[in-house]
Amino acid sequence: AQSVTQLGSHVSVSEGALVLLRCNYSSSVPPYLFWYVQYPNQGLQLLLKYTSAATLVKGINGFEAEFKKSETSFHLTKPSAHMSDAAEYFCAVSETGNQFYFGTGTSLTVIP
Amino acid sequence: DTAVSQTPKYLVTQMGNDKSIKCEQNLGHDTMYWYKQDSKKFLKIMFSYNNKELIINETVPNRFSPKSPDKAHLNLHINSLELGDSAVYFCASSARQDPNYGYTFGSGTRLTVV
Repeated sequence: AQSVTQLGSHVSVSEGALVLLRCNYSSSVPPYLFWYVQYPNQGLQLLLKYTSAATLVKGINGFEAEFKKSETSFHLTKPSAHMSDAAEYFCAVSETGNQFYFGTGTSLTVIP
Repeated sequence: DTAVSQTPKYLVTQMGNDKSIKCEQNLGHDTMYWYKQDSKKFLKIMFSYNNKELIINETVPNRFSPKSPDKAHLNLHINSLELGDSAVYFCASSARQDPNYGYTFGSGTRLTVV
């Protein structure tokens, strides 16, 4: 069975500080892993994806994530938070690439 | 050009009414989905269609009926609306032959049942 756990439903960081959003997955096969971002009153937008080509994945807006098989993790990071990064972030896993299971989301607040 | 478009964006209706939400994608994808996002932001898949055929039907009340007239459209009809149906409903699409692609989401329909 596949599932995703996002630790921390709310994360607050100061502007310019490191952003770390945690995602752990469960999958019986090598998974497809994605991060999506949802800005207020908008749909979900793809941030980045892991598809087995490289363990360190770079996405839009300076975000990146590292796939660690031994830790079954796919944490999202950004070296320096910007006010515009405030949003809801979702990690998603799929074994087939066709049906995704989403985590419960992490709300990121950036403090000026 | 909107890739996945949903209408309406907002829907306020009374309990017991029947309503529909429409979704269209112009990406040439062959698979479309409906997700429900509750007040706590939890996203749960409801249905998935591939080339007009139902392939995922999660535990959803049979008051919800999806209809896919062609692979570019997936509409959601809801009968006898209840207060608990209030949520944001997202349509999404993907290309089944390219699982690396992920989903493209619509901007959502906020349904409020009063």
